[in-house]
Amino acid sequence: ETGVTQTPRHLVMGMTNKKSLKCEQHLGHNAMYWYKQSAKKPLELMFVYNFKEQTENNSVPSRFSPECPNSSHLFLHLHTLQPEDSALYLCASSQDEGGVSPLHFGNGTRLTVT
Amino acid sequence: GEDVEQSLFLSVREGDSSVINCTYTDSSSTYLYWYKQEPGAGLQLLTYIFSNMDMKQDQRLTVLLNKKDKHLSLRIADTQTGDSAIYFCAERDDKIIFGKGTRLHILP
Repeated sequence: ETGVTQTPRHLVMGMTNKKSLKCEQHLGHNAMYWYKQSAKKPLELMFVYNFKEQTENNSVPSRFSPECPNSSHLFLHLHTLQPEDSALYLCASSQDEGGVSPLHFGNGTRLTVT
Repeated sequence: GEDVEQSLFLSVREGDSSVINCTYTDSSSTYLYWYKQEPGAGLQLLTYIFSNMDMKQDQRLTVLLNKKDKHLSLRIADTQTGDSAIYFCAERDDKIIFGKGTRLHILP
């Protein structure tokens, strides 16, 4: 069992669809993150949750809606996306948000918006 | 604002050493990290160094930190085809800032 598991691995959706990305971590960490990775751009931090509370929303459009029901699970709900939202969405966790603990990443969900 | 810079590409012959360089701007960085991303996968933590150290060695990996010049490097000895990946430098103060990644290509 890998430390951080993301499902699905691939997702194709139309602009009018509603879908959700799921992330689960088995490391006992308290902080969870959503990142967007697009070609030729740096990793973009989207959201941070620490002890289930959202601590950062990096000016992300409202068509992305995160949910963190507990410290082990993180969701990203998607609706009315645009083609430019096509990217690799990476979930990560760390022992805590601050401090020195490194991030542990899942393998990502490759999202294509048609 | 804080920034982390890396060259985008590096080609190295199999068996040679690879040196991937990184510069950062945040002088209050506490930890600096190297991550590896293989095709179709997420980022895997390779190694990290605390800002009061100047070198760390872990098997084929050597990390050098020049805090005065804000320069970090990752040396991979005896580069193998399995080392072909994108390598990300990252620095952390209160949050983690990633570079754009260096794509390492191995020549036969």
